[in-house]
Amino acid sequence: SQQGEEDPQALSIQEGENATMNCSYKTSINNLQWYRQNSGRGLVHLILIRSNEREKHSGRLRVTLDTSKKSSSLLITASRAADTASYFCATVLQSYNTDKLIFGTGTRLQVFP
Amino acid sequence: EPEVTQTPSHQVTQMGQEVILRCVPISNHLYFYWYRQILGQKVEFLVSFYNNEISEKSEIFDDQFSVERPDGSNFTLKIRSTKLEDSAMYFCASRKTFISGANVLTFGAGSRLTVL
Repeated sequence: SQQGEEDPQALSIQEGENATMNCSYKTSINNLQWYRQNSGRGLVHLILIRSNEREKHSGRLRVTLDTSKKSSSLLITASRAADTASYFCATVLQSYNTDKLIFGTGTRLQVFP
Repeated sequence: EPEVTQTPSHQVTQMGQEVILRCVPISNHLYFYWYRQILGQKVEFLVSFYNNEISEKSEIFDDQFSVERPDGSNFTLKIRSTKLEDSAMYFCASRKTFISGANVLTFGAGSRLTVL
């Protein structure tokens, strides 16, 4: 598997439901971030979780990190139609000589009103 | 809120032509990046730039690519002789400081390059 694989690839839900996206990675990380991309637009940072953290919240977002399983999940609670977008996890490797983000394959979320 | 500005939003070019994509990072940011996304695929790192030199580049960033910060505000990506496979959305990003564990990037809206 690649550094940053997400599942599901696509997710369709109704407004008000929760959406859960998962990200797995291979190599030890410094931190893991989630970004959102509306169709044809740039990426917007949502939340960052450090390797020594297990859970983080920001508004309707909840991120968990399990470094033993090398996986993370993003939960969006009480979804809205405006949450429709692609969501990417991005990892920063645990190395002193790199700070680049390595993006996952992304999950396309569709929220129906 | 400060933003990263990219121009052009869309460029169509013939194979073999040179292309320059321009970016204006956030004014007090010090670290600059180019990423690209081929349609329907993942976002890929191309190059990072700090203190007027390349700090890291990927295998994609071969001799056909170059970056420059010609003045205090612009950050450009040049593709010397475009190929069909260079067709992609190119994203510029920047960040302020190198704080370990806090390298959140601000991305521009992207420049779509179509090579015919």
